[in-house]
Amino acid sequence: DGGITQSPKYLFRKEGQNVTLSCEQNLNHDAMYWYRQDPGQGLRLIYYSQIVNDFQKGDIAEGYSVSREKKESFPLTVTSAQKNPTAFYLCASIRTGENYGYTFGSGTRLTVV
Amino acid sequence: EDQVTQSPEALRLQEGESSSLNCSYTVSGLRGLFWYRQDPGKGPEFLFTLYSAGEEKEKERLKATLTKKESFLHITAPKPEDSATYLCAVQPANDYKLSFGAGTTVTVRA
Repeated sequence: DGGITQSPKYLFRKEGQNVTLSCEQNLNHDAMYWYRQDPGQGLRLIYYSQIVNDFQKGDIAEGYSVSREKKESFPLTVTSAQKNPTAFYLCASIRTGENYGYTFGSGTRLTVV
Repeated sequence: EDQVTQSPEALRLQEGESSSLNCSYTVSGLRGLFWYRQDPGKGPEFLFTLYSAGEEKEKERLKATLTKKESFLHITAPKPEDSATYLCAVQPANDYKLSFGAGTTVTVRA
């Protein structure tokens, strides 16, 4: 079955360390997104990409970076500049057609130790 | 700026006790309003997309309706397995980005 695979499920980061969250999709979707979810808040957009080799900042891009070298892959790097990175991170892609909407991955929970 | 407000924040129901969740929104031209279900520690699961006022969609015990300012998710005769957080999101007509509400956490007791 097609879908979005996020890895790892849990990730621990030390102070001053960069970490990379993986997002892979086999749905042949063009547009991909990274959201951050904190308790009691709605999902907030970090970065999105509508085509390969192109991406745009979302509402909370500071301290994060992305790349889109392949259609299937959209990794997110949380840099040391992100002062409060502990959160649940969700990757998504746009599904067109009858059930238009986002398809989400299962998420990565990042914790600073 | 697009805004989505969901109420109540939490809802505790007895099995079989029907209720409704509210999603109020402001958006510059609506392309779609989305409902998702999210279980703890998992990604959101797609439920419905609504495109225009007056539209209704159903799936098992869930029914979503849409007006020009709000959407309702009706849960009819809920079961414990309906316990989850329900998220509402809107997409403006001229953008691919979605704006999400904070969600309503539903707990159904047997």
